Order: sequence, then structure tokens, then C-alpha cells
Amino acid sequence: EVQLVESGGGLVQPGGSLTLSCAASGFTFSSYAMTWVRQAPGRGLEWVSGISGSGAGTYYADSVRGRFTISRDNSKDTLYLEVNGLRAEDTAMYFCAKDFYDYVWGSFQFDYWGQGTLVTVSS
Amino acid sequence: QSALTQPRSVSGSPGQSVTISCTGTSSDVGTYNYVSWYQQHPGEAPKVVIYDVSKLPSGVPDRFSGSKSGNTASLTISGLQAEDEADYYCCSYAGSYFPAIFGGGTKLTVL
Repeated sequence: EVQLVESGGGLVQPGGSLTLSCAASGFTFSSYAMTWVRQAPGRGLEWVSGISGSGAGTYYADSVRGRFTISRDNSKDTLYLEVNGLRAEDTAMYFCAKDFYDYVWGSFQFDYWGQGTLVTVSS
Repeated sequence: QSALTQPRSVSGSPGQSVTISCTGTSSDVGTYNYVSWYQQHPGEAPKVVIYDVSKLPSGVPDRFSGSKSGNTASLTISGLQAEDEADYYCCSYAGSYFPAIFGGGTKLTVL
């Protein structure tokens, strides 16, 4: 059974940093691209960042490029998102999601999602 | 990149059919067949209901169907049931620089 479990969220002051983690199980983690999607309270889904199965390819939304860094440790079946320079508008539930296909670069369609970890940016 | 355009809300009675549109551009929906749809109930994670424009994931009822014409994708739910009441989001691949773009979401109300 595929499982994705996020952790690392919390309350942080503007300008602060966090590292979000997503522990994966039930599939060959290194074969699949992975993605972070966020959802601000009462708002829609926003794609944030993606990474290829090997980790060689990384992708970012313009709203987070230069502040967020996606990475993965395939020996630990874990996906990460380092978030720096946090702003109030980064307040959201952050979901990790698995790509549908075991393509090198992914199809950016997501068949499994975690339950999310909440990041709140406030002074 | 701007979000794909979806109606904010749609509604239908039990047993009826509803269609939710998702309009993009020739840079995303119009070019790629990696269009997916997600159902999200309050407080829950999204769940995929359609991928590759029109494919049905295992376990999703065949009351759900998807299609695409030009720059617009559509999700149709036939034989509406109370449990279909949820938010629905489309998503399209949009190229290697900005690979994924979501629609703004549509709230489906089952009357």
C-alpha cells in the first residue's frame, strides 16, 4: 500500500525557515517524480515544486523560486522541501504527491497524496 | 503562469449529469494530454478521478469521464450522488520550465 506522510510544518515568523519532509512507502521511490502542492486556507491548489526520480531535475513555481529548495534521499525514501524567506502568503497546507508514471521526468499527474503538513507564517 | 480557468460553482440534482470546464492555452491544455482532475472533500487530501485527459483510475466509478477539445478540458459526472459534492480541480502539464498548473477549482453542489 502506497503511503506518503508529511512532517515538519509549524508556526514560523516572517523571514524564517523550515524543512518539510515526506516519508514514502509501498512503491519504488526512486522510480517516480515527486511534487509538492500547497493550499492556502480556503483557497485552491497551487503547484509548488517537483523533482525527477533521480533528483537530477528540479522545478519551481515562480512564487517560490529562489526561496524554496526541493530534494530527495532515495536511500531513505524521503522527499524534502526546504522553505526559506517565509512570507505570510506562504501560509498553507503543504501536500506531497507521487507521479502517476515512472517516467524519468514525470507526467505531473498525481495518483497518491499525503495528508499534508501545515505551515503558518505569522509574527 | 496563470491558473487554468474553471467555473467557481456548478450544481445538479441526484441522478443528473454535470460538466465542469477547464480552459487553458495552447501552452498547456491545448498541447499536452497530461490533463488530470482531482476531487477534494473538506479537510481531506485531493484524490485523482481522471488522468491522461480521459483515463479512469482504479476504484473511481465510471460515472466520471473526461474529455478535451482545443484548449478546454472537461469533467463530466453522470448519475450524480450526494457523495460527489466536493471541490474539483483540473491540472495540466505545461512544459519543462513550469510543469504543472492547476485550475482555480469548482465547487460542486448536489441539490
